[in-house]
Amino acid sequence: AQRVTQPEKLLSVFKGAPVELKCNYSYSGSPELFWYVQYSRQRLQLLLRHISRESIKGFTADLNKGETSFHLKKPFAQEEDSAMYYCALRRDSSYKLIFGSGTRLLVRP
Amino acid sequence: GAVVSQHPSWVICKSGTSVKIECRSLDFQATTMFWYRQFPKQSLMLMATSNEGSKATYEQGVEKDKFLINHASLTLSTLTVTSAHPEDSSFYICSALFTGEFTQYFGPGTRLTVL
Repeated sequence: AQRVTQPEKLLSVFKGAPVELKCNYSYSGSPELFWYVQYSRQRLQLLLRHISRESIKGFTADLNKGETSFHLKKPFAQEEDSAMYYCALRRDSSYKLIFGSGTRLLVRP
Repeated sequence: GAVVSQHPSWVICKSGTSVKIECRSLDFQATTMFWYRQFPKQSLMLMATSNEGSKATYEQGVEKDKFLINHASLTLSTLTVTSAHPEDSSFYICSALFTGEFTQYFGPGTRLTVL
């Protein structure tokens, strides 16, 4: 079964601390994975996708096929990073997305 | 980036009435749009895929007669919640597939409250 798991509902860190939001997936084919972010009262926005291997707002994510993970990392968290983060898996060739349950990141001053 | 709008942003209706929600891609054409439902503090659940010029495809467990989807143009998809009941109260979000990037861009969502 295709599934995305985000084990942490809430992650609270202090400003300047490193952040790692966990995402594990279950997919039999070649996965395409995304991280979306939803700031308070704003729409869901694409943060990054694994195939582009880019760093957005200091965040990076590496696809680890052996561990079936796509963890989101940032070395130094900022208060403006506080938001809801969703990991998503593209499902088959239809471009449908399967979303994880989301992790709320709270960066304290 | 590509912009997707939704209208209305919130709506309150009486039980038994129907409500239409519009989803528009403002600066690109989208042959494929998606409709999601999000319950409070929960993730997005895909309801259906809206295809321009053809019938929508619904996810398992979603009533097609309850949630009517029309994708009459390359920039507009509509979701009509028919004979709404309080349990239909939710946050409905659409997205449009930007084929130039093969990426979904999301609308701001519509909060539906059925009294």
